[in-house]
Amino acid sequence: KAGVTQTPRYLIKTRGQQVTLSCSPISGHRSVSWYQQTPGQGLQFLFEYFSETQRNKGNFPGRFSGRQFSNSRSEMNVSTLELGDSALYLCASSSGTSGYEQYFGPGTRLTVT
Amino acid sequence: ELKVEQNPLFLSMQEGKNYTIYCNYSTTSDRLYWYRQDPGKSLESLFVLLSNGAVKQEGRLMASLDTKARLSTLHITAAVHDLSATYFCAVDMLNTNAGKSTFGDGTTLTVKP
Repeated sequence: KAGVTQTPRYLIKTRGQQVTLSCSPISGHRSVSWYQQTPGQGLQFLFEYFSETQRNKGNFPGRFSGRQFSNSRSEMNVSTLELGDSALYLCASSSGTSGYEQYFGPGTRLTVT
Repeated sequence: ELKVEQNPLFLSMQEGKNYTIYCNYSTTSDRLYWYRQDPGKSLESLFVLLSNGAVKQEGRLMASLDTKARLSTLHITAAVHDLSATYFCAVDMLNTNAGKSTFGDGTTLTVKP
């Protein structure tokens, strides 16, 4: 069974730009969660989508948004990038209905200059 | 607000020694996870603990959960160099859907020969 895939793996953007990251969950999984990992703040929950609906949301500004498609693939978008948005963005997939284990993708390393 | 505290944050061990990492959390929960992260890599799921008194073991690692004390432990037996990594515990709030975990700050373990 293929694991969670994230694209791109590395990204360099300039302050003020916007960026879109993509996550494809494990086949059959309907829940996709996004996390931000930085040295200063650690791992922080951004949002979770289940069957195309945002089910949970963390404490991030509205510049961070996401969506999920009918095939469970998810995208997150960050608008008006700030230097502090430089981070490893991880997505995790789970069945969303039974069992609770989350499987993490390799992450997208975003650098904002 | 759910808070998760791990200690110690840094741990340097000799090969062959035993040690325990502690994870305390602030509100009632019945789902606790342990993950491993190698430098520059994503998170690997180690254990999912779902009930009071749960104990799981894999190789030299054993995790336990005491929901009344709001405490989980990750015990390392006869450490080897390959166990060097950062270990995170994560907790889901009671009666929430999976996919929204609060993480501890991580324990960076270095095993020296």
